[in-house]
Amino acid sequence: SQKIEQNSEALNIQEGKTATLTCNYTNYSPAYLQWYRQDPGRGPVFLLLIRENEKEKRKERLKVTFDTTLKQSLFHITASQPADSATYLCALSSGGYQKVTFGIGTKLQVIP
Amino acid sequence: SQTIHQWPATLVQPVGSPLSLECTVEGTSNPNLYWYRQAAGRGLQLLFYSVGIGQISSEVPQNLSASRPQDRQFILSSKKLLLSDSGFYLCAWGGEATDTQYFGPGTRLTVL
Repeated sequence: SQKIEQNSEALNIQEGKTATLTCNYTNYSPAYLQWYRQDPGRGPVFLLLIRENEKEKRKERLKVTFDTTLKQSLFHITASQPADSATYLCALSSGGYQKVTFGIGTKLQVIP
Repeated sequence: SQTIHQWPATLVQPVGSPLSLECTVEGTSNPNLYWYRQAAGRGLQLLFYSVGIGQISSEVPQNLSASRPQDRQFILSSKKLLLSDSGFYLCAWGGEATDTQYFGPGTRLTVL
């Protein structure tokens, strides 16, 4: 069955540093890989999408890489700020208006 | 722009009581609609999804059911709640070929 692995432990990082979160998957060939942010008590918010034929995507301080050979995505937040503290979810989909599979998420804490 | 509503925001129900959670979407037509549950410390579990009125796909066999009486309305129900039904229930819509999910604010359900 499809499986997505994200570091279940929290990631603590000093303000101003680059945070790097990892998403690994097995038994899946997704067309799209997505990253979401979830704050406590709220629904996830879509951040970025990267397609299977793309290696890297950037949006402001965010960067996502997608390696379909390694079956891995890395999510980077540069110049991290305390406001970036949240849980970040990785999600995979095949497209074509089908379901999306989410990872458990990694909790990021940016320390001032 | 699109907006998704869920109510109620919080709910405390006794074991064995019925449940009805409602989700409505504004600003889009014929969206794919999804119900997820997020238990404490766990990832998002897809419960149901719908590609159109009256079309429901169930992902997890349990005592919950879903209905889509109108294009932009999605309802999650139960005849008799269990303790294990406690959790954070999220409705989402996905109207794009990439299946990007746009979540509502969620309902925190506690079954006592």
